[in-house]
Amino acid sequence: EAGVVQSPRYKIIEKKQPVAFWCNPISGHNTLYWYLQNLGQGPELLIRYENEEAVDDSQLPKDRFSAERLKGVDSTLKIQPAELGDSAVYLCASSLGGGTGETQYFGPGTRLLVL
Amino acid sequence: GESVGLHLPTLSVQEGDNSIINCAYSNSASDYFIWYKQESGKGPQFIIDIRSNMDKRQGQRVTVLLNKTVKHLSLQIAATQPGDSAVYFCAEAITGGGNKLTFGTGTQLKVEL
Repeated sequence: EAGVVQSPRYKIIEKKQPVAFWCNPISGHNTLYWYLQNLGQGPELLIRYENEEAVDDSQLPKDRFSAERLKGVDSTLKIQPAELGDSAVYLCASSLGGGTGETQYFGPGTRLLVL
Repeated sequence: GESVGLHLPTLSVQEGDNSIINCAYSNSASDYFIWYKQESGKGPQFIIDIRSNMDKRQGQRVTVLLNKTVKHLSLQIAATQPGDSAVYFCAEAITGGGNKLTFGTGTQLKVEL
């Protein structure tokens, strides 16, 4: 069974440019998460979806970040405009359901470098 | 100056020895705990989990111990192998909190041949 798929794997952009990341969760997983991971630190949740509904976006910097999961499957995370401090790894994860204890499976991440 | 975040605690062990990785969690209300393994260039991989009504849980070559009194979690890896080299993160969650994981500071495990 395929795991969580993310693309691109790497992205280099100049500051003030837009960038988008794509995630395809494990088939049948209703819950999708986007995390930010800075170098040497653990992942931090940005947003969580239950199907197509964003149920927790409290940590998403809404002035420049946006996300969507229109059909309740694939999801896109966008940054516009990107800043130097956005350089990090953006991880997508999915789980069968959203209850505590549902194992979250992570994709390989997109490594973003903002110059 | 250097960023504190770049300096992960490191544990070096000889191949075949047992490894113990420790984690202090922050929220006394947390009742679900997970250990993840992250290899370079990859996403975190689930290893084992434990709920607060238990103090020990065993998997294949791994054991997680939970001490709620001092808010401490440990991961024991038996007969450590080169493939165990990675960064290990503990994470905590609260039942009813929407499966929101709060990750701790990782520990770099290096297995020496």
